[in-house]
This record gives sequence, structure tokens and C-alpha cells, in this order.
Amino acid sequence: AQTVTQSQPEMSVQEAETVTLSCTYDTSESDYYLFWYKQPPSRQMILVIRQEAYKQQNATENRFSVNFQKAAKSFSLKISDSQLGDAAMYFCAYKLTYKYIFGTGTRLKVLA
Amino acid sequence: DTAVSQTPKYLVTQMGNDKSIKCEQNLGHDTMYWYKQDSKKFLKIMFSYNNKELIINETVPNRFSPKSPDKAHLNLHINSLELGDSAVYFCASSQDWAGRNTIYFGEGSWLTVV
Repeated sequence: AQTVTQSQPEMSVQEAETVTLSCTYDTSESDYYLFWYKQPPSRQMILVIRQEAYKQQNATENRFSVNFQKAAKSFSLKISDSQLGDAAMYFCAYKLTYKYIFGTGTRLKVLA
Repeated sequence: DTAVSQTPKYLVTQMGNDKSIKCEQNLGHDTMYWYKQDSKKFLKIMFSYNNKELIINETVPNRFSPKSPDKAHLNLHINSLELGDSAVYFCASSQDWAGRNTIYFGEGSWLTVV
């Protein structure tokens, strides 16, 4: 079965510091896509970053970057220079044919 | 211009009632989805449609009946509502099912059954 695991239910980071959210997944496929989504209290799902498995280079979007370790099936999200607006639930997701599978989420708190 | 829009955003109803949630996407996507997010924030797929055709039904009770009149719309009708149906329901779409695509979500419909 395809699964996505986020082992950290909650994380805290001081404003302006760096935090890393973990995600592991299980798949037998060789070509796939991975995503991180942010969900603020409004519950809107916002795409943060995506990674193609065939690309060795880690994706980067401004202060957000991933550490993609294909052999280890690990896909962590690093947030640099954390801001108060980064406080939210973060979901890791894996794309399977016809559906996207989401992890259980990590709640990120940003401390002023 | 909202890409994936769903209505209503909030819905409070009594047990046993029937309700519908509508969803429309203006992205020209072929594939649409319904996801349910429960009180523990678990996001679970319910249905997946491709070009109006049902592709995935993830063991959802048959009280839930999706309908896709065209590929831009995917509505969700729920019969005989139960307390456990209280959740946030997300409609979403992606360009197609097989491609390397991002999924885009609506803002969610908060259903409360009392």
C-alpha cells in the first residue's frame, strides 16, 4: 500500500529561525511526484512546493526548500527565516494515479 | 478569479436531512476530486472523476453520491446525514489523472450535522 508518514504532529520554531518538517513515503514506483501543502486556520489548501522524483536537484521556492532522498523515500521541507505567517498545518502528499495521498500533517507554530 | 469554487462554504443541518455541495473549476482540468477532512485533520480521498467518469470510489457509503454533469463540475449529494459526516469537504482538480500535475483545492465546505 502507498502511504505517507509525517512523524511530527507538532513543531515550534522561533521567528527568523529555520525549521525542518519530516515526511517519508512508501512506493514501488520509480517516477512520481511529491508535494507540500500548507493549510492555515482558514482551511484553504495552499501549494508550497513540489518535487519530481526523476529530478535529483532539490526543489526550492523562496524560503522553502526540500531535501529529497529518493533511496530513503524521504521528502523533508525546510523553512528558512520563519515568519509568523508560516504558522499552519503542513501536509506532505504523494501523487498516485487518480489520487493524491496525504500525510497526517504537522502543525507548525511560530514563536515571536 | 477563483479557480476551484465550492458552495456553500458553511452548512449546518440536522441528522437525517439530505444536502448537496456544488463544485466548479475554471482551469480546464479533466480530473476532479472530493476529499474529506475530519476533526483530526486527516485528508482522505472520497471520489475521483476523469472527464465526467467515476474513477475512484474509496469505500464511501452509498449515501454519498457524486454527480458530474460536465468535466468542469463535480457535485456531492449526501442523503440521510449522520453526525459522523461532520467534516470539511474539499473539491479539487488536476489537469489529468496520469500527468505530473498539481492538485488545486477549493476553499472547503464546512458541514456540521447536529
